[in-house]
Amino acid sequence: DTGVSQNPRHKITKRGQNVTFRCDPISEHNRLYWYRQTLGQGPEFLTYFQNEAQLEKSRLLSDRFSAERPKGSFSTLEIQRTEQGDSAMYLCASSPGWDSLTEAFFGQGTRLTVV
Amino acid sequence: DAKTTQPNSMESNEEEPVHLPCNHSTISGTDYIHWYRQLPSQGPEYVIHGLTSNVNNRMASLAIAEDRKSSTLILHRATLRDAAVYYCILRDGDQFYFGTGTSLTVIP
Repeated sequence: DTGVSQNPRHKITKRGQNVTFRCDPISEHNRLYWYRQTLGQGPEFLTYFQNEAQLEKSRLLSDRFSAERPKGSFSTLEIQRTEQGDSAMYLCASSPGWDSLTEAFFGQGTRLTVV
Repeated sequence: DAKTTQPNSMESNEEEPVHLPCNHSTISGTDYIHWYRQLPSQGPEYVIHGLTSNVNNRMASLAIAEDRKSSTLILHRATLRDAAVYYCILRDGDQFYFGTGTSLTVIP
């Protein structure tokens, strides 16, 4: 297992376009998290899944953001009608459990630039 | 959500110990203290966690104050590869929130 994989690593898009990012977690990790990170800031929690169930989505930044994990394996994060303020690093993490004792494993992120 | 306070930056000489402080005065009895670090152009990686007792692993040590309102991450011998942003996080259950962390510079 090579860890959490995110694709693409970099994405440049024009304002108003839709973008979709993919995250492949470590096999058999049932928890999957999405974060956004802007320059000089720590990662900002967006949403997370327990298998295919999305347990928290109130922190998605607007209704232009949505995430899915249809079969409880890989996940996608979609941003519709992108804005320049969406430019950031989008990080995915997975963990084998849900409690406070469990470490999370992060991918290298997808860097989005909206021009 | 970030309930911890850390210095924005610290410096250390290579091969010397580094003590990274974290204040969490509003910690609850069920909050675990987690530390992650983020190397340049990488996602965060887990370092260590603890509840009440001091903890050691191959990467670092975690010293937790008796009242649990503060903790210190200890790197016993800093190397250039330890230059990163270190995040102290309180975790109760399945969600965790990052603050702005401490940017550690290691001087050769």
